[in-house]
Amino acid sequence: QKEVEQDPGPLSVPEGAIVSLNCTYSNSAFQYFMWYRQYSRKGPELLMYTYSSGNKEDGRFTAQVDKSSKYISLFIRDSQPSDSATYLCAMTNRGSTLGRLYFGRGTQLTVWP
Amino acid sequence: DGGITQSPKYLFRKEGQNVTLSCEQNLNHDAMYWYRQDPGQGLRLIYYSQIVNDFQKGDIAEGYSVSREKKESFPLTVTSAQKNPTAFYLCASSIGTNEKLFFGSGTQLSVL
Repeated sequence: QKEVEQDPGPLSVPEGAIVSLNCTYSNSAFQYFMWYRQYSRKGPELLMYTYSSGNKEDGRFTAQVDKSSKYISLFIRDSQPSDSATYLCAMTNRGSTLGRLYFGRGTQLTVWP
Repeated sequence: DGGITQSPKYLFRKEGQNVTLSCEQNLNHDAMYWYRQDPGQGLRLIYYSQIVNDFQKGDIAEGYSVSREKKESFPLTVTSAQKNPTAFYLCASSIGTNEKLFFGSGTQLSVL
């Protein structure tokens, strides 16, 4: 079993839709959870960062962490064509090796006008 | 502007050849990393370095080598021992033990 599971999609939605992206994980020691956005052939950029369980909101983006279910989500409201990208979840335990992020495979999202 | 610069953007390797990918950062970050990205497989850690003159193997270090002689620079050499080098290579850095990684724009390596 992989440490982090993420449905690769592709996911295609119309402009204005609410998008839900999800990851599950197996290591209960993970405490730090991140979502990266990656445009085609570019480096990933950090989108959301959360610690432990709960919700975090930033503009149109909301990250949720449910540690009891080992499940994290990213919601995008009022999706725009510019949101079309691959979204990678990542997580780690601060007690683990420095920089040892565990990444999901990424979900490819297309928002059409 | 502060950031991470990877070069070249595209690189081609012949059979039996070693090639070196450059990564330079001016963020004054202590830690630097190399990840490999294959289609549909996510990112896999090759090597990382916490401080100058020190580096550690990641999950897929075989066929790769690195050096960290300067804080700003962390070059990756893909040796002839790496039999399947075609991939998108990403360099990243972070402040100390901070989990927030900043990535470069990547190098696409292909085999001729």
